[in-house]
Amino acid sequence: NAGVTQTPKFQVLKTGQSMTLQCAQDMNHNSMYWYRQDPGMGLRLIYYSASEGTTDKGEVPNGYNVSRLNKREFSLRLESAAPSQTSVYFCASSDRGRAKNIQYFGAGTRLSVL
Amino acid sequence: AQTVTQSQPEMSVQEAETVTLSCTYDTSESDYYLFWYKQPPSRQMILVIRQEAYKQQNATENRFSVNFQKAAKSFSLKISDSQLGDAAMYFCAYMESNFGNEKLTFGTGTRLTIIP
Repeated sequence: NAGVTQTPKFQVLKTGQSMTLQCAQDMNHNSMYWYRQDPGMGLRLIYYSASEGTTDKGEVPNGYNVSRLNKREFSLRLESAAPSQTSVYFCASSDRGRAKNIQYFGAGTRLSVL
Repeated sequence: AQTVTQSQPEMSVQEAETVTLSCTYDTSESDYYLFWYKQPPSRQMILVIRQEAYKQQNATENRFSVNFQKAAKSFSLKISDSQLGDAAMYFCAYMESNFGNEKLTFGTGTRLTIIP
């Protein structure tokens, strides 16, 4: 009954440090997404993967890289963290097609960059 | 690019009363999907209701219903018999119908407070 699992839940980084946010889903979904949520701005798409082996940029991709390791896992990497990347990060997954396009979200990762 | 506008940053309602949250969107597409997500203090994003644009009938899920006005590009959420557990941020979201391009565009949210 896990759904979408994100690790870690909280992280504090210093400017310039790197880290990878992990996401895994157990619903056999084809599509996976990374969003960031900033105060007063709703969720914005960083990157998405429509299927294993493919990734595409979303609205705010600068400063991030992603890897779709397999069908279950989609990671988000910050190579050199900046204070502007302080945010809450959400991973989501969905199936594809008219009746299946509901996105299910993980619990989020709160990241602070000092 | 599509945009989603939620013009009410905050709303409050008395417990057991009815409240309506507003959402408008901009698109040139005729086929698309609209969603309302709830985010309680736990931060978890929870789907409340989903509407397919090609369906004229308004979606309903228990105490939650929508008023979908396609020509006006309006998608409001009505919560009936409000309960304390309904207190949360509510986000309206838009999705194109293109296969393989199921990206969500979110509004900025409405914070709903339930008054006991």
